[in-house]
Amino acid sequence: DTAVSQTPKYLVTQMGNDKSIKCEQNLGHDTMYWYKQDSKKFLKIMFSYNNKELIINETVPNRFSPKSPDKAHLNLHINSLELGDSAVYFCASSQEAIISPLHFGNGTRLTVT
Amino acid sequence: KQEVTQIPAALSVPEGENLVLNCSFTDSAIYNLQWFRQDPGKGLTSLLLIQSSQREQTSGRLNASLDKSSGRSTLYIAASQPGDSATYLCAVTQGGSEKLVFGKGTKLTVNP
Repeated sequence: DTAVSQTPKYLVTQMGNDKSIKCEQNLGHDTMYWYKQDSKKFLKIMFSYNNKELIINETVPNRFSPKSPDKAHLNLHINSLELGDSAVYFCASSQEAIISPLHFGNGTRLTVT
Repeated sequence: KQEVTQIPAALSVPEGENLVLNCSFTDSAIYNLQWFRQDPGKGLTSLLLIQSSQREQTSGRLNASLDKSSGRSTLYIAASQPGDSATYLCAVTQGGSEKLVFGKGTKLTVNP
């Protein structure tokens, strides 16, 4: 059973479209994250949620809106997609922020054409 | 602003060799340091987590050390195997926040 699962694995879309990426974790963790890995493989945090509450919002354009319906899910909605949004987006979770290791999903490769 | 640097960017070794990957960070005010492994097309797998009060952690053939005052960590891999081939990333949890700041990784290739 996959601990942190993301869908879809690949997403190809045109500029201007709106798309969502879903993430679910079955580990019972309290904290969930979204990370972006750019073409140079550099990973950078976007958001973190703890028990459905936003904790970190790392200067991300407001076209990106995370939504956490419950502590096991953290979805990422992106409006008006731009070419520069092309990247791999990773969802992650941890039992306790700061002191627990992160568990990552396998990523969603977003390509904007 | 915290910056994490990993040297070398890529490393190729013959099977069986012991090796060391290096990580340095500019701000010693960290909660912990984690080493991850990333396989192509996959997410990251946490290997070792060292709390700021600890000096090292061991798991099987892996040993990670932390010298917080000098801003350095090393990941030692003993008796390397082709299955160890992957990109290894170092990340620190920045003090005063819950942000994990990553290095760019070291791509390791272990040749049979």
